[in-house]
Amino acid sequence: AQSVTQLGSHVSVSEGALVLLRCNYSSSVPPYLFWYVQYPNQGLQLLLKYTSAATLVKGINGFEAEFKKSETSFHLTKPSAHMSDAAEYFCAVSANFGNEKLTFGTGTRLTIIP
Amino acid sequence: ETGVTQSPTHLIKTRGQQVTLRCSSQSGHNTVSWYQQALGQGPQFIFQYYREEENGRGNFPPRFSGLQFPNYSSELNVNALELDDSALYLCASSSQGAYNEQFFGPGTRLTVL
Repeated sequence: AQSVTQLGSHVSVSEGALVLLRCNYSSSVPPYLFWYVQYPNQGLQLLLKYTSAATLVKGINGFEAEFKKSETSFHLTKPSAHMSDAAEYFCAVSANFGNEKLTFGTGTRLTIIP
Repeated sequence: ETGVTQSPTHLIKTRGQQVTLRCSSQSGHNTVSWYQQALGQGPQFIFQYYREEENGRGNFPPRFSGLQFPNYSSELNVNALELDDSALYLCASSSQGAYNEQFFGPGTRLTVL
């Protein structure tokens, strides 16, 4: 069985500061890991995915995440926060990439301080 | 290319009623997955349909059922609605095969009174 834990339900950063959203996973098989973003009253948009090809994954909107097996982590980072980054972020895990069910964390709401 | 669409956008029902939610998959996709997102929570997998057959189910009771049609659109039906069924219902479409990501629709907000 797979699961993810997102540390911090709310994170606030100043505009231009580093964004760090934490995700730890538990999986009995090599996991496929994802970060999704959800803007108010919208569905989920894929930011990036880890499929074992490379441990440092670059996504859209300047986000990246590093897969660390020794720490069972897949933290999401962005060097410089922008006001438009304010949203809810979800980490998810799957046993297979593509069509296996996604198991999501409880989400982290990111607030950007002007 | 048309993305994933869902209808209706919002819905209000009372306890005990039945509801049908609809999802049109993205062009070229043959798989639809449904998720329930309660307020303040992450989405939870309900079930998946592939070529009109259920292809995996999460921990939801039988009163949650679904259909997939030959054009790969899908319906989610919930019978005997309970207050805890109030949530955002998301569908995601994809194509079977390796490295094919799921594309999510905007969701249907269901309120049960």
